[in-house]
Amino acid sequence: ETGVTQTPRHLVMGMTNKKSLKCEQHLGHNAMYWYKQSAKKPLELMFVYSLEERVENNSVPSRFSPECPNSSHLFLHLHTLQPEDSALYLCASSPDFDSLNTEAFFGQGTRLTVV
Amino acid sequence: KNEVEQSPQNLTAQEGEFITINCSYSVGISALHWLQQHPGGGIVSLFMLSSGKKKHGRLIATINIQEKHSSLHITASHPRDSAVYICAVTYGGSQGNLIFGKGTKLSVKP
Repeated sequence: ETGVTQTPRHLVMGMTNKKSLKCEQHLGHNAMYWYKQSAKKPLELMFVYSLEERVENNSVPSRFSPECPNSSHLFLHLHTLQPEDSALYLCASSPDFDSLNTEAFFGQGTRLTVV
Repeated sequence: KNEVEQSPQNLTAQEGEFITINCSYSVGISALHWLQQHPGGGIVSLFMLSSGKKKHGRLIATINIQEKHSSLHITASHPRDSAVYICAVTYGGSQGNLIFGKGTKLSVKP
């Protein structure tokens, strides 16, 4: 139990569906992250929020839309996805974004399958 | 070429064996992380280190900054250690600059 909770754990969606992934942390952390993990590839950073403001967006397609309504919650809204978007989506949080050597805490991930 | 390279990619061991997983990186870093990913997908942070050596139970992590190399050792391995072990480095002083290796899949047989 890392203190970072993701829901749902598994999601199957069609290419025309709209769905959202949710991440929640009550660790008092100021930074939250979305990562994508595809088969046989390293984790890829998608979005970073620090104090509820987006600070980094690594050229992610617009069919992925993040939302951070407060420092404890992070969403990833999905629409018109492609089959190649099927992956494990991991949320993480850390005490701060720009402090040296801070540790990240990861959620269990959402296994997404796009059909 | 990935900036963080791990070896081996896959490792099978018998229970009780001493295990070593290696990580090499090519960028200047502020910290190196060892993470453990269970079959269900969840990731747990094992170590964060920027110099020397850290020990937690049967796990030991070392880093050589000059050689840009780190090792994760597991003593007296157990089937419950079976997981993917991921090396990641932080550079530029922020968590946003976290680069991950592809991971080493460890399977410990009873």
